[in-house]
Amino acid sequence: DAGITQSPRHKVTETGTPVTLRCHQTENHRYMYWYRQDPGHGLRLIHYSYGVKDTDKGEVSDGYSVSRSKTEDFLLTLESATSSQTSVYFCAISAVGRNTEAFFGQGTRLTVV
Amino acid sequence: DQQVKQNSPSLSVQEGRISILNCDYTNSMFDYFLWYKKYPAEGPTFLISISSIKDKNEDGRFTVFLNKSAKHLSLHIVPSQPGDSAVYFCAARRLNYGGSQGNLIFGKGTKLSVKP
Repeated sequence: DAGITQSPRHKVTETGTPVTLRCHQTENHRYMYWYRQDPGHGLRLIHYSYGVKDTDKGEVSDGYSVSRSKTEDFLLTLESATSSQTSVYFCAISAVGRNTEAFFGQGTRLTVV
Repeated sequence: DQQVKQNSPSLSVQEGRISILNCDYTNSMFDYFLWYKKYPAEGPTFLISISSIKDKNEDGRFTVFLNKSAKHLSLHIVPSQPGDSAVYFCAARRLNYGGSQGNLIFGKGTKLSVKP
């Protein structure tokens, strides 16, 4: 298994509270991603990083921010959680290269009540 | 606007028979295609991929076919086994200008059930 650890694995939080999810890798891969998975939507990209302090938005970035201060850590923050952000969140990593696959973490199930 | 489409939400197959999962895409700039398998409560795992310069790639029981003119790819599993029961995601990537890799765009997934 690729060395990816997501924490926490499960979280229940209240509407309006800030939440931070952490992704940690031991593979020294350059690219890191945050996806969310929802029924009927598949996997949708929230934000991604192509290096330390280099991040960009994905297709569903509203309400989320990210930070990458070290190669191994990529943080996803919900500044003020809403019920629509109840989802399963996956972190993924990828090496540089034209034909490289992405490896996924085990996921974080977030429930906003 | 969906760039990667998996039009069949589910597929049921008998053990030992062939499973064929289909995927269509709209962006002609995609040049690398992947299939992922996902079990409940786990992260997606990479299964097989194909570059746009090929039309077939095989790995054991799994074969991916690419038809660029039709913008269509398919995953064949032969023979199907009950342990193959999972959600299968098709994904595509393009090269950005300057040569950097683009992001993976995923379909919505197809749930495969292989019955003993």
